[in-house]
Amino acid sequence: GDSVTQMEGPVTLSEEAFLTINCTYTATGYPSLFWYVQYPGEGLQLLLKATKADDKGSNKGFEATYRKETTSFHLEKGSVQVSDSAVYFCALSTSGGTALIFGKGTTLSVSS
Amino acid sequence: GAGVSQSPSNKVTEKGKDVELRCDPISGHTALYWYRQSLGQGLEFLIYFQGNSAPDKSGLPSDRFSAERTGGSVSTLTIQRTQQEDSAVYLCASSTLAGGSSYEQYFGPGTRLTVT
Repeated sequence: GDSVTQMEGPVTLSEEAFLTINCTYTATGYPSLFWYVQYPGEGLQLLLKATKADDKGSNKGFEATYRKETTSFHLEKGSVQVSDSAVYFCALSTSGGTALIFGKGTTLSVSS
Repeated sequence: GAGVSQSPSNKVTEKGKDVELRCDPISGHTALYWYRQSLGQGLEFLIYFQGNSAPDKSGLPSDRFSAERTGGSVSTLTIQRTQQEDSAVYLCASSTLAGGSSYEQYFGPGTRLTVT
């Protein structure tokens, strides 16, 4: 079945460090790919998305590129801030589907 | 405007009791989703509504779980004869319509259910 695998956390970084959180997927057809973020005490929020191969989603300095050849959608940010500390979820939605299929989440902790 | 709201925010119940969890979607959103977030399983899809009908119930873990939606708005997730493995955060989301990436799902803050 369709699935999402993302790197285990926690990820601990110093402020201004470079961030990569790996995400790979298995899906039939042509899924859409998402990154959601859950800040402490808050609900899930959509961070960025990409709907077709080679699309790049970006928001708040975060980027991810839909790579069909490697079935990946890695999240990157050039310089993290303490306020980026949160849990990040990679997810997919299959073409014609409705439910989101999530990875298990990666906890990011950024210290000053 | 108001986002998705859920109540209660926390619920502690004894094993074997029934519980009802409520979701108020964003006004005008016709699609509504229930997910469960637990330590062992991550985020799992439970059920989806389009209007008042539920075309996809594939994620409901057992027949103890049911959900309804009335008036195309509020939804209630009911768990009968709760078990300790039902302990989780239950998340509700809504979107303008359903289908792929076209319609962003907006999530509520969740209900944390603890079964003792």
